[in-house]
Amino acid sequence: DAGITQSPRHKVTETGTPVTLRCHQTENHRYMYWYRQDPGHGLRLIHYSYGVKDTDKGEVSDGYSVSRSKTEDFLLTLESATSSQTSVYFCAIAGTSGYEQYFGPGTRLTVT
Amino acid sequence: AQTVTQSQPEMSVQEAETVTLSCTYDTSESDYYLFWYKQPPSRQMILVIRQEAYKQQNATENRFSVNFQKAAKSFSLKISDSQLGDAAMYFCAYRNPTSGTYKYIFGTGTRLKVLA
Repeated sequence: DAGITQSPRHKVTETGTPVTLRCHQTENHRYMYWYRQDPGHGLRLIHYSYGVKDTDKGEVSDGYSVSRSKTEDFLLTLESATSSQTSVYFCAIAGTSGYEQYFGPGTRLTVT
Repeated sequence: AQTVTQSQPEMSVQEAETVTLSCTYDTSESDYYLFWYKQPPSRQMILVIRQEAYKQQNATENRFSVNFQKAAKSFSLKISDSQLGDAAMYFCAYRNPTSGTYKYIFGTGTRLKVLA
């Protein structure tokens, strides 16, 4: 299995509070991604990174920001959490020569 | 823009039988990759099978095989001798390797139930 961890695995927070999710990889892969999974929507890309300090928006980036200061870490921040951001968040990685993505275990975030 | 469509929200199959999950996609590219991922109740996303568009031969991995119809833009997954452990959400995904962004596009998923 690809070495990808996500923390925390579960989080409950209140509306308006900031939240940061962490993705850590030990594979030295160049590409990292953040998705959210919601019923009926599959996986939707929030942001992705193609190198240290290089990031770009996905299809549902509003309300989210990311940072990648090291190859192994990709942080997703909700500056002011809203109930619509209640979801399961997945991190994924892909190598330069690779085809498929490898996924982390997911983080279930509940915003009350 | 590329899209991936899974028109079957839910499917059921009897244990030991065969089931086919459908996936269609829309792209103007000629070179791309297609994937099927499995998500069991544990929530972990697991790669099941991969197909390169330039290969005419359909990919096979043990009991899992695909029917890749490039002209029809169809990429179905066949599961033979279904087992209880095959019960999961299945997602079809597309990637264009020439886009330079390494973005993947996912379908909305098909929930497979396996009946004992």
